Amino acid sequence: EPEVTQTPSHQVTQMGQEVILRCVPISNHLYFYWYRQILGQKVEFLVSFYNNEISEKSEIFDDQFSVERPDGSNFTLKIRSTKLEDSAMYFCASTMGPTIYSTDTQYFGPGTRLTVL
Amino acid sequence: AQSVTQLDSQVPVFEEAPVELRCNYSSSVSVYLFWYVQYPNQGLQLLLKYLSGSTLVKGINGFEAEFNKSQTSFHLRKPSVHISDTAEYFCAVSESGNTDKLIFGTGTRLQVFP
Repeated sequence: EPEVTQTPSHQVTQMGQEVILRCVPISNHLYFYWYRQILGQKVEFLVSFYNNEISEKSEIFDDQFSVERPDGSNFTLKIRSTKLEDSAMYFCASTMGPTIYSTDTQYFGPGTRLTVL
Repeated sequence: AQSVTQLDSQVPVFEEAPVELRCNYSSSVSVYLFWYVQYPNQGLQLLLKYLSGSTLVKGINGFEAEFNKSQTSFHLRKPSVHISDTAEYFCAVSESGNTDKLIFGTGTRLQVFP
């Protein structure tokens, strides 16, 4: 069964450093998402992406964050200058069609645990 | 604004006992409702979803959930749990016809004991 993959599984970085979290969505999917979960808190929506553009973003997704689909398979989340409060589990998700119009659902990857020291 | 409440952070239960994991939501518009499960070191996996139609939804692994609009609830049930059901369970909503984003609850850890 096809699945969403994410690398690395765990990333440790120093405050102020840039990090890039990588995701490989399911191959025929067109809509991509990032969510995060701070330890002990809710899973929170960050951004959705379609047709090489951001479709929607939350207030968490400020200028320090960016997303990119650099090639036909990868979908990346970049944090330019990490803060302590960016420490969280980051989940990538993908779907073939937009959830609002179809019965497609968002398939999630296993997550990348980001630790900012 | 939409929100999801999972009142039980942990639910301990013995194997073969029934279980109910509670989920309540608030929204001023129609919603789609989902239950996801997360096994250790794995991603979120869809258990079941409600989009429209019958309010009783059956999912994988013997789970089912019932949408109750008047009580704004979407509780998850299983008549007889197995050790392998030990996991974190997340309820989520999305606003139908308007946005793709999922709003999650804080999760309920189901611990099944032998």
